[in-house]
Amino acid sequence: QVQLQESGPGLVKPSETLSLTCTVSGFSVSSGDYYWNWIRQAPGKGLEWIGYIYHSGSTNNNPSLKTRVIISLDTSKNQFSLKLNSVTAADTAVYYCARQSSSSRHKSLDYWGQGTLVTVSS
Amino acid sequence: QSVLTQPPSVSEAPRQRVTISCSGSSSNIGNHAVNWYQQLPGKAPKLLIYYDDLLPSGVSDRFSGSKSGTSASLAISGLQSEDEADYYCAAWDDSLNGVIFGGGTKLTVL
Repeated sequence: QVQLQESGPGLVKPSETLSLTCTVSGFSVSSGDYYWNWIRQAPGKGLEWIGYIYHSGSTNNNPSLKTRVIISLDTSKNQFSLKLNSVTAADTAVYYCARQSSSSRHKSLDYWGQGTLVTVSS
Repeated sequence: QSVLTQPPSVSEAPRQRVTISCSGSSSNIGNHAVNWYQQLPGKAPKLLIYYDDLLPSGVSDRFSGSKSGTSASLAISGLQSEDEADYYCAAWDDSLNGVIFGGGTKLTVL
C-alpha cells in the first residue's frame, strides 16, 4: 500500500535552512497523476499548505512563504524534499508530506505521512 | 489566516447528530470539490470525505458531506466518543493554485 514517511532534523537554528525529505513507498513519484505536497501545522493551529511538486518537476508554493521554499524531486530514490530558508520561530511546526490527485476533479490529499516536528530555536 | 471559514468548536452528546459548516468563495468551494479531513489527537490528518459527499473505503457511513454554492457541511450521526477530533474542510483554490484549508473545528462528544 502507499506509504509516506518524513525525515529530517527536528531542531533548526533561526536564520538557517530547514530540510526535510519524504520517502514514498508502494507508489512511484514519477506517476503523472499526482502532486506531491508539503503541509505544516504549527502547535495548536490549523493546517497550512506549503507547496507541491509535479512529476515533471514543476512546482507551486504558497505565496505567504514567498521565495523561501524550494521543493525538489528525486525519482531515483522515490523521494521529494522541502527546503525552507531563513527560518524563524514562526516556522516551528509539524511538517507533513501528502499525495494529491492532480487529474481528478476532487484533488483530495489521499495519503499522508505521519508528520515530523521541527522546532526552530537557538 | 484561513480562507475557508469553519466554527472553532462544536459539541454534542453521544448518539446524536452534529454538523460542521465550511464557507468559502467562488475561487474555491464555488468552483471545486470539497474534501474533509479528520485529525485524531496526535495523529496525521486522514481523508474523510472527498468530492463533496463521497466516502473513501473504510470510512463509516455515519459521516456524510454536502455542498451548496460556496458552502459545504460535514454531518456526523450516531456520535461516538472516538469521533472526538479536529475536522478540516479543504478545496482547491484558483488564486492559490493549490489547496486551501479551513481553520478546523474541534468536535467534543459530551
